[in-house]
Amino acid sequence: QVQLVESGGGVVQPGGSLRLSCAASGFTFSSYTMHWVRQAPGKGLEWLALIRSDGSNKYYADSVKGRFTISRDNSENTLYLQMNSLRAEDTAVFYCAKLVGVTTPFSYWGQGTLVTVSS
Amino acid sequence: EVVLTQSPDTLSLSPGERATLSCRASQSVSSNYLAWYQQKPGQAPRLLIYRTSSRATGIPDRFSGSGSGTDFTLTISRLEPEDFAVYYCQQYGSSPPVFTFGPGTKVDIK
Repeated sequence: QVQLVESGGGVVQPGGSLRLSCAASGFTFSSYTMHWVRQAPGKGLEWLALIRSDGSNKYYADSVKGRFTISRDNSENTLYLQMNSLRAEDTAVFYCAKLVGVTTPFSYWGQGTLVTVSS
Repeated sequence: EVVLTQSPDTLSLSPGERATLSCRASQSVSSNYLAWYQQKPGQAPRLLIYRTSSRATGIPDRFSGSGSGTDFTLTISRLEPEDFAVYYCQQYGSSPPVFTFGPGTKVDIK
């Protein structure tokens, strides 16, 4: 069955960095655009970034542009999110997801990993 | 950039009642590429509806979507106990791609 398993979350000080990973299995990871989405405690969903199937194009929400970098390793079926210059307002559960697309009418989500930015 | 607003913030209903949730876009959604997700506490979101009105695999037919342009609706014909959750709309298919979510509507038990 399809699995997306995030890891790498934890507590980090403001200004620090963290790298999240998402291990994919049960589907052809290399065929799909992948995304990171976050959810601050008690808040709604916020789309952060996407990367095309071959890694050729990446797009970011304005809130993280220049601080976060999405990448993937199709040989390892793994998605990454490098997060730099972290702020308290980045505290959230971070989800790895294959969101519904124009030609792919289905969606897969991980269970999320919690990132807490605090001194 | 398309901004999505949802109303109401909270909908208090009883099982068996009809729920009507609204999602409004600040500009026309490209080719009506509008999706709806359901999220329960402690769980990841689940896709319900894609391209405005198509149900995702395994979604019961009590869920339906409609709309076009800037105004979209998710209807739950008869609420089941498991339907009490938060619902998010999301637009996709824009260029450059931005997958904006609405702020969500919570459907809770009256």
